[in-house]
Amino acid sequence: AQSVAQPEDQVNVAEGNPLTVKCTYSVSGNPYLFWYVQYPNRGLQFLLKYITGDNLVKGSYGFEAEFNKSQTSFHLKKPSALVSDSALYFCAVRDSGTYKYIFGTGTRLKVLA
Amino acid sequence: DTAVSQTPKYLVTQMGNDKSIKCEQNLGHDTMYWYKQDSKKFLKIMFSYNNKELIINETVPNRFSPKSPDKAHLNLHINSLELGDSAVYFCASSQKVAAALFLDTQYFGPGTRLTVL
Repeated sequence: AQSVAQPEDQVNVAEGNPLTVKCTYSVSGNPYLFWYVQYPNRGLQFLLKYITGDNLVKGSYGFEAEFNKSQTSFHLKKPSALVSDSALYFCAVRDSGTYKYIFGTGTRLKVLA
Repeated sequence: DTAVSQTPKYLVTQMGNDKSIKCEQNLGHDTMYWYKQDSKKFLKIMFSYNNKELIINETVPNRFSPKSPDKAHLNLHINSLELGDSAVYFCASSQKVAAALFLDTQYFGPGTRLTVL
């Protein structure tokens, strides 16, 4: 069965510092991996995805994520955090053999000025 | 130029009532979804329709019934509302890339906050 884990409920980082939000997954086939961001009282917005190709994926707002097959991870990163990056971040996975997306439990990112 | 819209934005109702939430997408997408986000922010898929056909139906009580009159609309009807139904319900859509594959990005609506008293 497919699953996705976000081990940190919250990540705090100072503005200007690099940030990492962790995600690990489990699928039986090939993984399709996604990151979404949710601002307060809003729907989820797509950030980036990995389907195939380069392991380093660049997305919106300066975010990037690295697909690591051996560690079954897809951590979200940004070289320099902004206060406006503070939000709830969701990792999602879809097994290539299914239609269903599984979302992680979310990680709240707080960027401190 | 709203992509995925939901109505109403807020819904407060009594236990036992029947209510509907509407969703419309103007992106020309083939696939639409309903998700439930509980108070702990857990996001779980409930249903997915592709071209008006049900393709995902998670273990959701029969009181929840999706209806897709056309591929741009996916409405959610809930009968006999219970306290545990209180949550934020998100509609989403995506474009089918190839047969039986749903690789593309999901676009989410703003959510409907349902409160059952």
